[in-house]
Amino acid sequence: AQSVSQHNHHVILSEAASLELGCNYSYGGTVNLFWYVQYPGQHLQLLLKYFSGDPLVKGIKGFEAEFIKSKFSFNLRKPSVQWSDTAEYFCAVHALYSGGGADGLTFGKGTHLIIQP
Amino acid sequence: AAGVIQSPRHLIKEKRETATLKCYPIPRHDTVYWYQQGPGQDPQFLISFYEKMQSDKGSIPDRFSAQQFSDYHSELNMSSLELGDSALYFCASSGNRVSTGELFFGEGSRLTVL
Repeated sequence: AQSVSQHNHHVILSEAASLELGCNYSYGGTVNLFWYVQYPGQHLQLLLKYFSGDPLVKGIKGFEAEFIKSKFSFNLRKPSVQWSDTAEYFCAVHALYSGGGADGLTFGKGTHLIIQP
Repeated sequence: AAGVIQSPRHLIKEKRETATLKCYPIPRHDTVYWYQQGPGQDPQFLISFYEKMQSDKGSIPDRFSAQQFSDYHSELNMSSLELGDSALYFCASSGNRVSTGELFFGEGSRLTVL
């Protein structure tokens, strides 16, 4: 079974600082990768996704992530954060089995990001 | 665009009571997933359905059951509620059997067990 590890559980930054949130997964096969954001009291929203192709993917709100297959990593980045980026960020993995499958995503434990004005 | 609809948004129950949560997927989505998110926790996969049949099962307690109906909406039934069942329950849907894993989440149903 696959697992996801997010390195930082809590991150506090000042506005305009650069952000990088680490995500590593363990699974030997092909995966699709996601970052979801959950603003306080709200539901999970997709930030970006990687299925195949260019390993550097761009998402909404200026976020991007880079898939490094050799490191089993999918780190999230943003050059300059804003106060409104305060939220919980979840990395998630979907393992592609040879027979397809409708099993759920495996989420990391999440990173609570606080941006100070 | 239409999103995943969950009801009720908030629910308060006593221990040992029963609760039912409903989920209406995005139109033409045939797969529904249920997740449980405890306070400060990551979402935990409970169960999924494809074309009205159970597809995969995660960490769903035996006290819980779920089904998907002919109109593709799904219901999660929870019996003998315990304090630890207090959580945010998310439903998500996707649109194809060979899933890419991309899920569209509803706003969740917050269950509080007293």
